[in-house]
Amino acid sequence: GAVVSQHPSRVICKSGTSVKIECRSLDFQATTMFWYRQFPKQSLMLMATSNEGSKATYEQGVEKDKFLINHASLTLSTLTVTSAHPEDSSFYICSLASRVNEQFFGPGTRLTVL
Amino acid sequence: AQSVTQLDSHVSVSEGTPVLLRCNYSSSYSPSLFWYVQHPNKGLQLLLKYTSAATLVKGINGFEAEFKKSETSFHLTKPSAHMSDAAEYFCVVRPNSGGSNYKLTFGKGTLLTVNP
Repeated sequence: GAVVSQHPSRVICKSGTSVKIECRSLDFQATTMFWYRQFPKQSLMLMATSNEGSKATYEQGVEKDKFLINHASLTLSTLTVTSAHPEDSSFYICSLASRVNEQFFGPGTRLTVL
Repeated sequence: AQSVTQLDSHVSVSEGTPVLLRCNYSSSYSPSLFWYVQHPNKGLQLLLKYTSAATLVKGINGFEAEFKKSETSFHLTKPSAHMSDAAEYFCVVRPNSGGSNYKLTFGKGTLLTVNP
């Protein structure tokens, strides 16, 4: 399967600052990537679908101005949490879709907002 | 619309005994079904998937699952639990048509603990 990396793996920031999380496909070109959020002891919730070269599609209830997604190339998508607040603290996971619709997940980024 | 129900939030077994993690689904379209495992603070690893071929699916690490359309179930089993199986398990459904080909719907997860 595909290898997906995320950077950073952990980040702690102060309230009001912005944090950028990178998701990279290491071994194939992904036209579609996904961003999920996972609160403690809960399941993954899809936040947005990121398409290379076009605007991301956000799920209902997810603020697009707060969670900025940029899919600038076939191997890189970034999620920027703007003006982060403690309630944004979560585990953020990206995934990418192969041609046969299988998703491969990154290792996740633990965001803690103080 | 689609949904996934994992019937047990927590399953505890002894090492060497069988594992059964239950999953029921609903989907407006013929679904693909997946089981993923997540170890603490790690991403998700695919255990196995059903995509309309054989109804009994074998996965990694000795796990298997059987797709039963009449029962709308996709339970995960393993004959003999190992300590390293302790993790969170997610049952996931994806429609095979209907315009949302890629979107996955996750169950709430089942935490498996394995006692020595």
